[in-house]
Amino acid sequence: NAGVMQNPRHLVRRRGQEARLRCSPMKGHSHVYWYRQLPEEGLKFMVYLQKENIIDESGMPKERFSAEFPKEGPSILRIQQVVRGDSAAYFCASSPVPRGQKAEAFFGQGTRLTVV
Amino acid sequence: AQSVSQHNHHVILSEAASLELGCNYSYGGTVNLFWYVQYPGQHLQLLLKYFSGDPLVKGIKGFEAEFIKSKFSFNLRKPSVQWSDTAEYFCAVMGTSGTYKYIFGTGTRLKVLA
Repeated sequence: NAGVMQNPRHLVRRRGQEARLRCSPMKGHSHVYWYRQLPEEGLKFMVYLQKENIIDESGMPKERFSAEFPKEGPSILRIQQVVRGDSAAYFCASSPVPRGQKAEAFFGQGTRLTVV
Repeated sequence: AQSVSQHNHHVILSEAASLELGCNYSYGGTVNLFWYVQYPGQHLQLLLKYFSGDPLVKGIKGFEAEFIKSKFSFNLRKPSVQWSDTAEYFCAVMGTSGTYKYIFGTGTRLKVLA
């Protein structure tokens, strides 16, 4: 029973390039969350998606960041024109039940993005 | 807006010492509460959760937490820590209205000395 799968585990990008981070939720989970983790700052909520829908993107920077969760395939967090400040660990989590019901989030191993 | 405060950022204990990590949240309604642990280089794993009922919740590895509604708190405890408990601990809250996202605290880094 595979858990939440994120790839790549490590990603190095030069300033100005694009970064694509992928997240495959646990089987049967249709809700995906993305978080950014910086040292001493904990996990910052970025976006919450359901299949083909963005439920809450209040934590996403207004520019350069986007996320999707298509009907088929993994969820993608896309960062365009990366800058050094984007260097962080990005975690994806999935949840099995509709909004408002009682369930915990299951986390992936994370993608460590380094912008050089 | 929901928020979570973890007041202890770094804690150092000797093995067999007792542990209590503070967590306070800000939310006007009913909440679901969680503690996660992140061992070095690993992903977050659930320690325990509270949805309703008995406010004293037992989790894995001997951890427990107590929900005190009047204090908006959900402190994590363990009577006797082990070296293997060295990790970062995150408290999280999910409100039961709105968009149901999980909001995390800034984490507490626990180091247990052998």
